[in-house]
Amino acid sequence: EVQLVQSGAEVKKPGESLKMSCKGSGYTFTSHWIGWVRQMPGKGLEWMGNIFPGDSDTRYSPSFQGQVTISVDKSISTAYLQWSSLKASDTAIYYCARHALYTGRRYKLDFWGQGTLVTVSS
Amino acid sequence: DIQLTQSPSFLSASVEDRVTLTCRASQGINNYLAWYQQKPGKAPKLLIYAASTLQSGVPSRFSGSGSGTEFTLTISTLQPEDFATYYCQQVNSYPLTFGGGTKVEIK
Repeated sequence: EVQLVQSGAEVKKPGESLKMSCKGSGYTFTSHWIGWVRQMPGKGLEWMGNIFPGDSDTRYSPSFQGQVTISVDKSISTAYLQWSSLKASDTAIYYCARHALYTGRRYKLDFWGQGTLVTVSS
Repeated sequence: DIQLTQSPSFLSASVEDRVTLTCRASQGINNYLAWYQQKPGKAPKLLIYAASTLQSGVPSRFSGSGSGTEFTLTISTLQPEDFATYYCQQVNSYPLTFGGGTKVEIK
């Protein structure tokens, strides 16, 4: 059974750093892209970026480029999303999702983590 | 970036109704569109990819159609568990983008 298990909720102050995780199991982790999606309170879904664990090839949405870092440790089948300096506007739920290729370089986000709530407040 | 516009934003319907949701892309995306369902407090769930291919395990009352810039998601007979928010997503080109969502509420 494919599973993505994310790290727990975080409460941080503005300016603090954060690294959250997403551990995959039940499939060959290095064979599928994995990415991150943000959902601000009461709002819709925003695609942030993805990474291919096999070679760490990474793509970012321009909206998040330079704001976050996506990385992976394939030895433990885990993807990460990190911030060096959080802002109040980073308050949101963050989901990881497996990006499975179904043709060429086109994806379907077929398995999702349970989400990690990040609250940034002074 | 490719913009996706979903309509309506809110839809009020009754159990057993047939409902159709629309997603329009700002430029052609072939058939590289997916639909997701999200219930409150839960992660999104993939329903349809490649515009019309039903994801494994998804009930057949869900169907998708379209190509180019206009797409639809149809629920043939609305069930109580279908009241949720639905999002389209284009996977034609980076950055992947989502539509703003359609919330399907109980009339």
